[in-house]
Amino acid sequence: GAVVSQHPSWVICKSGTSVKIECRSLDFQATTMFWYRQFPKQSLMLMATSNEGSKATYEQGVEKDKFLINHASLTLSTLTVTSAHPEDSSFYICSARANRGQPQHFGDGTRLSIL
Amino acid sequence: DQQVKQNSPSLSVQEGRISILNCDYTNSMFDYFLWYKKYPAEGPTFLISISSIKDKNEDGRFTVFLNKSAKHLSLHIVPSQPGDSAVYFCAASLSGANNLFFGTGTRLTVIP
Repeated sequence: GAVVSQHPSWVICKSGTSVKIECRSLDFQATTMFWYRQFPKQSLMLMATSNEGSKATYEQGVEKDKFLINHASLTLSTLTVTSAHPEDSSFYICSARANRGQPQHFGDGTRLSIL
Repeated sequence: DQQVKQNSPSLSVQEGRISILNCDYTNSMFDYFLWYKKYPAEGPTFLISISSIKDKNEDGRFTVFLNKSAKHLSLHIVPSQPGDSAVYFCAASLSGANNLFFGTGTRLTVIP
C-alpha cells in the first residue's frame, strides 16, 4: 500500500517553456502533499506544502509565481515550473501523507533538464 | 545549516551480518523520526519510524533506536541481505509541522 505515482519521470525542454509535473496517491487519500527539490549531493529540500482545496504554503526563498502548485483533489497535486530556465534544472520529488503524524510516501521523482 | 546528519556516506556489510546506520540531529525539539530507503531512479520508500516517546521500534529485520540525550538515532538491519543494498536516509520532524528534515544519506552495500 501507500503508492505515490509521479509523472513524468524525465523532462528535457527549452528555456522559457512551462513544465507540469503530476503527483498522485494511488491507494490512499492524501490530505497533504509535499514538493521537494534535490540538488546533486545534497539532501531533499522542501519547496512547498499543499493541502487539498487550499493554497500551497511555500518555504522561504521559493518563488510561488515560478512554482505553481495545485492540489485539486485528495489524490492529485501538480507542480508547474513556469518559464523554466537552466537554473531550474533539478530533481523534483513529491510526497503524500494521509494524515498528520503519519509518514510521507514519495513518488519516484522527476528529472528536469532545461536547455 | 544541516539539522540532520549522516556522517557515514557509505557502509559495506557481509550478508547475514548486522548493518548499523547512524544519524545525528541538532534540534532537540524534533519528536518524530523516520528512515527511508532509496534505490536508484526511484523515490524514497518509507521503512520505519519512531516517536520521541519511545527509544526503540522494531519491524521485522529493522529496528530503530533513539537516544534523545545524545540526539542520535540508528537503524539496525539484521540479518542483512543483498537486496538491502540502497541509500538510506534518516529524517526528522516537529509535531504539528510539515517539514521533514533529511540527512544526506548512507549508501549500504551488502556483500553476498
